[in-house]
Amino acid sequence: KAGVTQTPRYLIKTRGQQVTLSCSPISGHRSVSWYQQTPGQGLQFLFEYFSETQRNKGNFPGRFSGRQFSNSRSEMNVSTLELGDSALYLCASRVDSYGYTFGSGTRLTVV
Amino acid sequence: GENVEQHPSTLSVQEGDSAVIKCTYSDSASNYFPWYKQELGKRPQLIIDIRSNVGEKKDQRIAVTLNKTAKHFSLHITETQPEDSAVYFCAEGTGGGNKLTFGTGTQLKVEL
Repeated sequence: KAGVTQTPRYLIKTRGQQVTLSCSPISGHRSVSWYQQTPGQGLQFLFEYFSETQRNKGNFPGRFSGRQFSNSRSEMNVSTLELGDSALYLCASRVDSYGYTFGSGTRLTVV
Repeated sequence: GENVEQHPSTLSVQEGDSAVIKCTYSDSASNYFPWYKQELGKRPQLIIDIRSNVGEKKDQRIAVTLNKTAKHFSLHITETQPEDSAVYFCAEGTGGGNKLTFGTGTQLKVEL
């Protein structure tokens, strides 16, 4: 059974640009969440999608957005990138109310 | 809002000893408490979790205890091995767990 797949693994962008990250959940998992991991702030919740609807959102500016497709795949977008957006972005999926499985993440570097 | 405090931030033990990591949460509605292990450069992996209707759960060398009255939960690793060396994160979830709030992590080092 394939795990949570995130693409790309690494990304380098320039300040002011925008970026789109992709996440394919485990087959059958309808819930997809996104987290930002940095050395200073740790793991912070961005948002959660279920059946193409955003069910919960963390305390991030509107530059951070996401969506989920009918096949449960999800994308997150960050516009007008700032240096502070450099982080590991983790996607997690689950089939019921518990038991998140994380992907390997996308390492975003903003220069 | 939700807040999870995790201690200690670093922990060094000798191989074969036990390791204990403690977390305290603030939200009375929290009902799900997972623990994740993250090795360097890898994804966080769920190692054990506990729900609010249970006070203790064990899986081989790993156990988690929950005290809802005091709002704290702990991870216990017995007979530690070098491969247990990693960063461990506690987390809490509410309302079906569609959002997890994580602790700041504990760097565990198991020395030979």
